[in-house]
Amino acid sequence: DTAVSQTPKYLVTQMGNDKSIKCEQNLGHDTMYWYKQDSKKFLKIMFSYNNKELIINETVPNRFSPKSPDKAHLNLHINSLELGDSAVYFCASAPRGSGNTIYFGEGSWLTVV
Amino acid sequence: GDSVTQMEGPVTLSEEAFLTINCTYTATGYPSLFWYVQYPGEGLQLLLKATKADDKGSNKGFEATYRKETTSFHLEKGSVQVSDSAVYFCALTPGGGADGLTFGKGTHLIIQP
Repeated sequence: DTAVSQTPKYLVTQMGNDKSIKCEQNLGHDTMYWYKQDSKKFLKIMFSYNNKELIINETVPNRFSPKSPDKAHLNLHINSLELGDSAVYFCASAPRGSGNTIYFGEGSWLTVV
Repeated sequence: GDSVTQMEGPVTLSEEAFLTINCTYTATGYPSLFWYVQYPGEGLQLLLKATKADDKGSNKGFEATYRKETTSFHLEKGSVQVSDSAVYFCALTPGGGADGLTFGKGTHLIIQP
């Protein structure tokens, strides 16, 4: 079983559409994240949830809205997609505590045309 | 804020060469340090980590030592293989859990046969 799984892996959509990426972890972790990787491979945190509570909300357009129905799931909804949203989005999770490893999903490749 | 600086790539080496990828960091307190690897078309995998000063992380022939005096966590491997070709990310987390990872910009490593 994949520890952190996200769907879809590939998504091509038109500008202005609304789309969601789903993420689930079966590791029993309390904390989940969304990261964005741009075309230059730079990785930046977008959101962090701890046991369904939003902890980190970096400077991200409010078109991006995370939703955590329970601590095993953290979905990312994006409204009114723009060309600049094209990127790879990684879901991740970690147990509570200092120095613990953060485990990443395989990524969702979003292309906005 | 916290930051990670790593050498820009691409780094191109011949098979069996010695590898060093430099990484330095700026952080308050005592961060945990990580190296993640991203193979082409794949997600991020933890390569190794160290959680306190003078700790050495190692995995798959790669090593890195947490040097607090020089705020560094350089990645080394004695003899690289073509299969090591990937993008390598140095990262830190100040306290683990909900704090998330701060990444360097990544170093693209190309190993030629």
